[in-house]
Parts: sequence; C-alpha cells; structure tokens
Amino acid sequence: GQQVMQIPQYQHVQEGEDFTTYCNSSTTLSNIQWYKQRPGGHPVFLIQLVKSGEVKKQKRLTFQFGEAKKNSSLHITATQTTDVGTYFCAVGSGYALNFGKGTSLLVTP
Amino acid sequence: SAVISQKPSRDICQRGTSLTIQCQVDSQVTMMFWYRQQPGQSLTLIATANQGSEATYESGFVIDKFPISRPNLTFSTLTVSNMSPEDSSIYLCSVVSPMNTEAFFGQGTRLTVV
Repeated sequence: GQQVMQIPQYQHVQEGEDFTTYCNSSTTLSNIQWYKQRPGGHPVFLIQLVKSGEVKKQKRLTFQFGEAKKNSSLHITATQTTDVGTYFCAVGSGYALNFGKGTSLLVTP
Repeated sequence: SAVISQKPSRDICQRGTSLTIQCQVDSQVTMMFWYRQQPGQSLTLIATANQGSEATYESGFVIDKFPISRPNLTFSTLTVSNMSPEDSSIYLCSVVSPMNTEAFFGQGTRLTVV
C-alpha cells in the first residue's frame, strides 16, 4: 500500500507561535487525511484532501495538498494549549489506512 | 458519523494469557479494522474483519496470535493470544464512513503485559 513520510517527529512551541507538519509520498496519492490524537485519546478525523493544490481551512488550521498530490501540510496559526497532541496524516490502502509516524506538538503557555 | 464502543479500556495481564477486546458499532458496517499503536508510535493495521469471512491479516500479524471474530455487521472481537511484554500496546478498532471519507475509532484498549 501507499506510504507517507511525516516530519518533524516532535515540535515544541510557545503558545502563540505557528506550527507546521509535513507529509510526503514517493507516489501520487488519490487523497490524504489528517487526524489528531490527544494524549491518552484516540485519533479523531480532521479533514480529507482530494484535489490537486487543494487548500482547506478550519479556524486556525490550514491544510494543503500539493499540486502533484505527493505532499501535504497542516499549518496551525497562533497555537494554543488545546492544540497539544499528535497529528497524523494517513493515506488509504483499500479502505484501511496507512498512517504517517505523526508529529507530536507540545505547546508551552 | 459512527459511535464505537470498545472494551476493556485498559487491562494488565500476565504473560502467557489471552485477552479478548470487544468492539461494538452503532450502525451496520461491512468492514471493521483493528490497529495496534505501540507506545509513542503510529498506528499499524493488524487486520481487516469482514462479516461472514475470515479476517485479512497484514504482514507480520497471524491469525494464531490475533484471532478475530466478526459474528455480525455491528460487532467484532480481537484476541491477543499467549501474550508477552512485547504485546503491550494500545489496540484500536475502527470503521470508515459509507463514502470512505473518514475513519472512526474506538476509545482504544491500553494493554500492559507483565
């Protein structure tokens, strides 16, 4: 199945700073999904990107899908302590998902 | 959306024993998925459970170690057999939306093998 590489593995920011995590694939993706997992919680769906060059926003979160559909990013503007958690990108393998390794975000007040 | 009830939420087990994890969905779904998440790691698919047929296992996972039942369209169990400390992980069941646009997860079972 399709695989994605996700960077960075960890990110520690001061509250109010921005944060970005990146996912890259060697092959063209049909779509990519993003999930957030709070500490001690389970993954929760954030968004799915399907179209080349697609940009979607959810409040302070901006999701992008590359023109070649081989990379994607999640950008958080002005982080808050509620943004703490691990952010995963995921790509479909049939109906199951292959997850990136995730980026753990720590926000210091 | 789908609501998934998974239990137990956590357990501490002796090595050599088995634990069965249950997953109940509030709607009928064709496929259910079982994932493992080792401490601080990403999610790895164990198997896909289809109603009325044997589960399909991913590379590195075998039926003798992780037998799965899928008696109907809303329920599945995963058994972790003959446990060792290396099986200490979070186990998650999952279903996908009808349009395959998102996945829903149970709360997870945090397993510690001692």
